[in-house]
Amino acid sequence: DQQVKQNSPSLSVQEGRISILNCDYTNSMFDYFLWYKKYPAEGPTFLISISSIKDKNEDGRFTVFLNKSAKHLSLHIVPSQPGDSAVYFCAAKNRGSTLGRLYFGRGTQLTVWP
Amino acid sequence: DSGVTQTPKHLITATGQRVTLRCSPRSGDLSVYWYQQSLDQGLQFLIHYYNGEERAKGNILERFSAQQFPDLHSELNLSSLELGDSALYFCASSPRTSGGALVDTQYFGPGTRLTVL
Repeated sequence: DQQVKQNSPSLSVQEGRISILNCDYTNSMFDYFLWYKKYPAEGPTFLISISSIKDKNEDGRFTVFLNKSAKHLSLHIVPSQPGDSAVYFCAAKNRGSTLGRLYFGRGTQLTVWP
Repeated sequence: DSGVTQTPKHLITATGQRVTLRCSPRSGDLSVYWYQQSLDQGLQFLIHYYNGEERAKGNILERFSAQQFPDLHSELNLSSLELGDSALYFCASSPRTSGGALVDTQYFGPGTRLTVL
């Protein structure tokens, strides 16, 4: 049962333009969300996160938006750079659970071309 | 570099065999999480250890087991291996806040790629 879904397996964007990666979740108990970036042969690297009490969090070129009513979040990268080419994973967590686990989507391969 | 180390980087073995994957968390982190990533899948949670004790189990097969040692490193043991066990295995660790709660962010190691032939 995939509780976190990334419905676009790939996204191709020109350098300098905006990249928008989307993520949907089904579990209303999720209250913390994270984005990870993964290069080949490396582990996932934490990028940015957002708590459910906010609807936006910004860190440099990266902004995450959360729409709780739609159970949807998105990651915006502006401007996109070739070095951003990687697989992006959306993850969610229920802070009230003692399990501490993260639930991951299947990832979106972002390609930024010159 | 996240500070989480995993060995070996690659492992090739045959069906029916047993292997051990090793993970050292970031300095000071007491929590270790294990995840499996099969082809085109997201990371699937296997098990969580905190300061030597098992805290949570996910989709971990009975053929798999784990433990966390007093020095906080962790080992994931996979036995009676099948072709379908071929995957990337990641461990992650997370620190605690000054108040003692676990920080939400998990920091991942580079992974072990297991190939079962």
